[in-house]
Amino acid sequence: EAAVTQSPRNKVTVTGGNVTLSCRQTNSHNYMYWYRQDTGHGLRLIHYSYGAGNLQIGDVPDGYKATRTTQEDFFLLLELASPSQTSLYFCASSDRGGQDTQYFGPGTRLLVL
Amino acid sequence: AQKVTQTQTSISVMEKTTVTMDCVYETQDSSYFLFWYKQTASGEIVFLIRQDSYKKENATVGHYSLNFQKPKSSIGLIITATQIEDSAVYFCAMREGGSALGRLHFGAGTQLIVIP
Repeated sequence: EAAVTQSPRNKVTVTGGNVTLSCRQTNSHNYMYWYRQDTGHGLRLIHYSYGAGNLQIGDVPDGYKATRTTQEDFFLLLELASPSQTSLYFCASSDRGGQDTQYFGPGTRLLVL
Repeated sequence: AQKVTQTQTSISVMEKTTVTMDCVYETQDSSYFLFWYKQTASGEIVFLIRQDSYKKENATVGHYSLNFQKPKSSIGLIITATQIEDSAVYFCAMREGGSALGRLHFGAGTQLIVIP
């Protein structure tokens, strides 16, 4: 089973602050995803990638940037955090994208004051 | 457009009984994949079971099974002999085949409460 880790697990910042959420997977998966989870919405896709240097826009990308530096590492950047970005963020990975199951990290809880 | 709908917000059942959670989806693709995930109280999201659209036989894994009704665009999750530890939030998700790069569309989730 895929091992997906996220850091930090909890983060508090102020409006306008700069935040970087990190995700690492150690099973050589090609595809990685960032989701946010909010009550009543389930999980919504922010950005995703199918390899180092590749980025794709998801369904709720506004206010977020992402960077895939290696096959293992995928980062989500909030350069001017806003209270509306207070949420639970999950990273996931899968091997062949459309064919394979996604495996999720433990989540990062972000509070923007 | 793709859409996944779970209309049941919360379900309570007695331990050791069977429960069905509903999910309907919308897609224009002829090939797609359907998944159920479980989110525990700790927040962990765990993959449970999947159904590929081209397969007629309903998937089964342990005490989880699916009721796939393609003409109705419906994929229900059935849990038999429920246990206390089945209490969680269950998400239905859909992925298009082909060049969709594996992006999942999730329903809003159904909270299951198993009563001892």
